[in-house]
Amino acid sequence: GENVEQHPSTLSVQEGDSAVIKCTYSDSASNYFPWYKQELGKRPQLIIDIRSNVGEKKDQRIAVTLNKTAKHFSLHITETQPEDSAVYFCAASSVGGTSYGKLTFGQGTILTVHP
Amino acid sequence: KAGVTQTPRYLIKTRGQQVTLSCSPISGHRSVSWYQQTPGQGLQFLFEYFSETQRNKGNFPGRFSGRQFSNSRSEMNVSTLELGDSALYLCASSLVLGQGGELFFGEGSRLTVL
Repeated sequence: GENVEQHPSTLSVQEGDSAVIKCTYSDSASNYFPWYKQELGKRPQLIIDIRSNVGEKKDQRIAVTLNKTAKHFSLHITETQPEDSAVYFCAASSVGGTSYGKLTFGQGTILTVHP
Repeated sequence: KAGVTQTPRYLIKTRGQQVTLSCSPISGHRSVSWYQQTPGQGLQFLFEYFSETQRNKGNFPGRFSGRQFSNSRSEMNVSTLELGDSALYLCASSLVLGQGGELFFGEGSRLTVL
């Protein structure tokens, strides 16, 4: 089955700096890669996603890049703010295949943005 | 519109007991999936239901089971509880099955097994 590795497990940055979180996946059939943000004590929420027919997607300060050949994708947050502090999860799924909606998540990255 | 609702939010059980957790998806969402969240293992897929049928199952023992009703509400059951079952159980709903797109998570049911 699919395996998703996420690094780093913790990331500490100063406000205004950039943050990068990287994930690798094992199943070449995976074609949908969402990122979820989970604030302390709250539910995970989708912040951005990318499909395998796209190499990069951007939404304001957040961007995701995908390298299908290397089987890795990354989340980039620019101009970080204290409210960006949370746990970030990457995930992979094979849309349209027999895995249906199953997401395989990475282990999570605890991002701390210091004012 | 109302989000995904999970009940109970917190519960404490002892080893050997069984527990049933409930999930009401967003109105109109027909796909419901369940995840177990623990500090050591992250978010792990349990199962997914669509139109009252289990469409996919994760690598959990048979003590973990679930079902979906005709109104899309879902329940999951864990029998013969073990200490390692202590976790946050998250339910998520989505509009359609297997097309990618956003999963809307509930706030979870936090289970403590003593």
